[in-house]
Amino acid sequence: DTAVSQTPKYLVTQMGNDKSIKCEQNLGHDTMYWYKQDSKKFLKIMFSYNNKELIINETVPNRFSPKSPDKAHLNLHINSLELGDSAVYFCASSQGSQGYGYTFGSGTRLTVV
Amino acid sequence: GENVEQHPSTLSVQEGDSAVIKCTYSDSASNYFPWYKQELGKRPQLIIDIRSNVGEKKDQRIAVTLNKTAKHFSLHITETQPEDSAVYFCAASVAGGTSYGKLTFGQGTILTVHP
Repeated sequence: DTAVSQTPKYLVTQMGNDKSIKCEQNLGHDTMYWYKQDSKKFLKIMFSYNNKELIINETVPNRFSPKSPDKAHLNLHINSLELGDSAVYFCASSQGSQGYGYTFGSGTRLTVV
Repeated sequence: GENVEQHPSTLSVQEGDSAVIKCTYSDSASNYFPWYKQELGKRPQLIIDIRSNVGEKKDQRIAVTLNKTAKHFSLHITETQPEDSAVYFCAASVAGGTSYGKLTFGQGTILTVHP
């Protein structure tokens, strides 16, 4: 009965590969987000979707492509992985698009070698 | 865009002492200020939040104060316990505006509570 679940939890891959991270929330929230946490623990927004529509795209390289098949799911596909993509990626959701009371997923630790 | 500065970056206290973490923000339109606690290897979890129509909010040992004029807000933890040890993040957003729920986070404070 996890509220926001992400898979996989760990991902180790070689440079140049393509990988996907999946996120699902069962809270009935309208808005979902992807955040990146770098090695210094800094959290920065990448994308936001509200009812399956992209509403925030924060100057992220176009190798990153989010997809929201429905309002309970938000996936992140990354093409041509680079060393600098290594980070922890957090999915989150909130009710409405005001950002109140985010619930974060457990994170995906991506390591590019 | 919004910029949030958080201090100190590390804070070490003895069990039972109080801890204070301070944040400043740059966008005067910001009106929502949550605080998150992140334990090692875990997800950030909301511990308290405040909206700009309120100057102070308290929840047991945790309190947050907001000074809109000075554009700063602070987290106060009283009677600290070892289980309070974690990374704490402040954040700011313009709730209801065209930022669509985007949170801008501070750099984080590593709090260590020594038994």
